[in-house]
Amino acid sequence: DGGITQSPKYLFRKEGQNVTLSCEQNLNHDAMYWYRQDPGQGLRLIYYSQIVNDFQKGDIAEGYSVSREKKESFPLTVTSAQKNPTAFYLCASSMSRNRGGTGELFFGEGSRLTVL
Amino acid sequence: EDQVTQSPEALRLQEGESSSLNCSYTVSGLRGLFWYRQDPGKGPEFLFTLYSAGEEKEKERLKATLTKKESFLHITAPKPEDSATYLCAVQHTPNAGGTSYGKLTFGQGTILTVHP
Repeated sequence: DGGITQSPKYLFRKEGQNVTLSCEQNLNHDAMYWYRQDPGQGLRLIYYSQIVNDFQKGDIAEGYSVSREKKESFPLTVTSAQKNPTAFYLCASSMSRNRGGTGELFFGEGSRLTVL
Repeated sequence: EDQVTQSPEALRLQEGESSSLNCSYTVSGLRGLFWYRQDPGKGPEFLFTLYSAGEEKEKERLKATLTKKESFLHITAPKPEDSATYLCAVQHTPNAGGTSYGKLTFGQGTILTVHP
């Protein structure tokens, strides 16, 4: 079945450590996104990528980094520079606009990061 | 800057008790308004896209409507399995030469609980 796979589902990190969250999709979507969700707040965009080897900062990119070396993969690194990294992280993908895609996003199951 | 406000924050209904969720938005040229459903600990699942005032979409017990300032998600005769957080998001029309597909601004969500 086509979909988006995020791993790990739960992750604990000590302060000062970098961690990388994995996101893989087999939907053949061009665009991929990382969102952060905190209790009582809407989803906030961290980074997005419209094509391979290209990505743009979202609204809250500070303290995060990404890469897009393959169409299927869009890993997110939470660096030690991120002041408040404990959150629920969601990866999503969508068709490109020139293929008729719009804001219909397909989300993964999420990764919950806790900083100890 | 696009803004989305959802109300109420939480709604408790008895099974069969119909009601509506509200999504008020401010956007510089609406390209689309989107409704998602999110179960606890899961990623959001796409429900509807609305493009212009007066448009309506239906799916089972859910009906989404759109005006120039807000959208409603009507739930008719809800069942306990309709319990979830419902998220609203908007996408603005990009400037000439720009692309904004997938860059959604989300509301904080309405937590719906339906009791048997």
